[in-house]
Amino acid sequence: DGGITQSPKYLFRKEGQNVTLSCEQNLNHDAMYWYRQDPGQGLRLIYYSQIVNDFQKGDIAEGYSVSREKKESFPLTVTSAQKNPTAFYLCASKSGAVSTEAFFGQGTRLTVV
Amino acid sequence: AQSVTQLDSHVSVSEGTPVLLRCNYSSSYSPSLFWYVQHPNKGLQLLLKYTSAATLVKGINGFEAEFKKSETSFHLTKPSAHMSDAAEYFCVVRSLTGTASKLTFGTGTRLQVTL
Repeated sequence: DGGITQSPKYLFRKEGQNVTLSCEQNLNHDAMYWYRQDPGQGLRLIYYSQIVNDFQKGDIAEGYSVSREKKESFPLTVTSAQKNPTAFYLCASKSGAVSTEAFFGQGTRLTVV
Repeated sequence: AQSVTQLDSHVSVSEGTPVLLRCNYSSSYSPSLFWYVQHPNKGLQLLLKYTSAATLVKGINGFEAEFKKSETSFHLTKPSAHMSDAAEYFCVVRSLTGTASKLTFGTGTRLQVTL
C-alpha cells in the first residue's frame, strides 16, 4: 500500500545530542515537508523540498537540518542548536505545486531528557 | 501572505447535536482551503478541500464546509455529532511562492463530544 512512514514513533534524546527523524514515502510525490506541532500553536513549517537535492527553510528552520538525496526520503536532523526540541514532528508529502492535497505520516514524538 | 484564524480553541457539543467549527482566512488571491482532523498522537487526515469549484464542499464522515468569499470564511459543520468525532481540527490555506506550494495551518480547534 502507498503511504508515508515516519520512524520512530517515540524518540528520546539527551541534551546536546543530535537526532535524526526518518520520513519515507512510496507515493512518488515530488514535494515533502516537515512540520513541528506544539500545543495551541497548530503546525509550523520547518523545511520543505520540492524536488530531489533541493530544499528550503520554512518558518522555524533554526536548529534543524534536512537532506533530500532520494525522492522517497526526507530525513530531519534536530541538532543541539535547537533550544526547545521537545515536540511532535509531522512529515507530509504531495505530488507537486498544482496538487492540493498533502498526505501526512503518523508523527514522531521527540522528548529531550 | 496567507493566514487562517480558527476562532475557537475548544468546542464542546453533546452527541447528536450539530457541530460548527469556525475558520476565517486571509488570502491575496482565490485560495485553496482544507480541513484536516487529528486524533491523539496521530497524523492528520484530510476531511475536505475547496479548490474554487463548488462553494459547498462535502467531506468524509458527514462533514461539510461552505466557502464564503464575502465573509472570508470556511466554517466546518456536521448535522449530528458522534463520539468518534472528538479530535483536533485544523483549517489550512495553501499558498504558492513561485513554484513552491506551502500549507499554512490554523492553531486548531479541539472538539469534545459528550453523552
